[in-house]
Amino acid sequence: AQSVTQLGSHVSVSEGALVLLRCNYSSSVPPYLFWYVQYPNQGLQLLLKYTSAATLVKGINGFEAEFKKSETSFHLTKPSAHMSDAAEYFCAVSDQGGANNLFFGTGTRLTVIP
Amino acid sequence: ETGVTQTPRHLVMGMTNKKSLKCEQHLGHNAMYWYKQSAKKPLELMFVYNFKEQTENNSVPSRFSPECPNSSHLFLHLHTLQPEDSALYLCASSLENTEAFFGQGTRLTVV
Repeated sequence: AQSVTQLGSHVSVSEGALVLLRCNYSSSVPPYLFWYVQYPNQGLQLLLKYTSAATLVKGINGFEAEFKKSETSFHLTKPSAHMSDAAEYFCAVSDQGGANNLFFGTGTRLTVIP
Repeated sequence: ETGVTQTPRHLVMGMTNKKSLKCEQHLGHNAMYWYKQSAKKPLELMFVYNFKEQTENNSVPSRFSPECPNSSHLFLHLHTLQPEDSALYLCASSLENTEAFFGQGTRLTVV
């Protein structure tokens, strides 16, 4: 069975500061991992995905995430926060690469302080 | 725009009403999904359709009834809902074993 834990339901950073959103996963098979972003009153948009290729995955809007098997982690980072990054971020895990068996975390709301 | 369109965006309905949510995608995907997003809870997968056939129903109450007439359209028929059913309902689609593309959701309020 797969599961995801996102540490910190709320994260606040200053504009220009490093963004770090934490995600730990549990999976009995090699996982596929995803980060999605949700802006207010919108659906979910895929930021990036890990599918067993490179462990450092680059996504849209300057975000990246690193898969660390030893730590069962897939933390999301961005070197410099923009005001437009304020949103809710969801980590998700799947055992098949697709959406059929996709398990989401509870989300982290990112606030960017001017 | 992700290519997945949901209508309506907002819906208020009484507990005795019957309404339907609509989702369509023209991405050529063969799988479609309904998710429920409630505050402070993980997204809950409700229904999965692969090639128009329902392949998963995660113990969803019968007051929610999905319909998938073709691989581009998905409906969620609602009747005699409860206030706790108020949530954001998200539709998604994908090719087999690829990532999901989500619609913008329908914000449902049951009064």
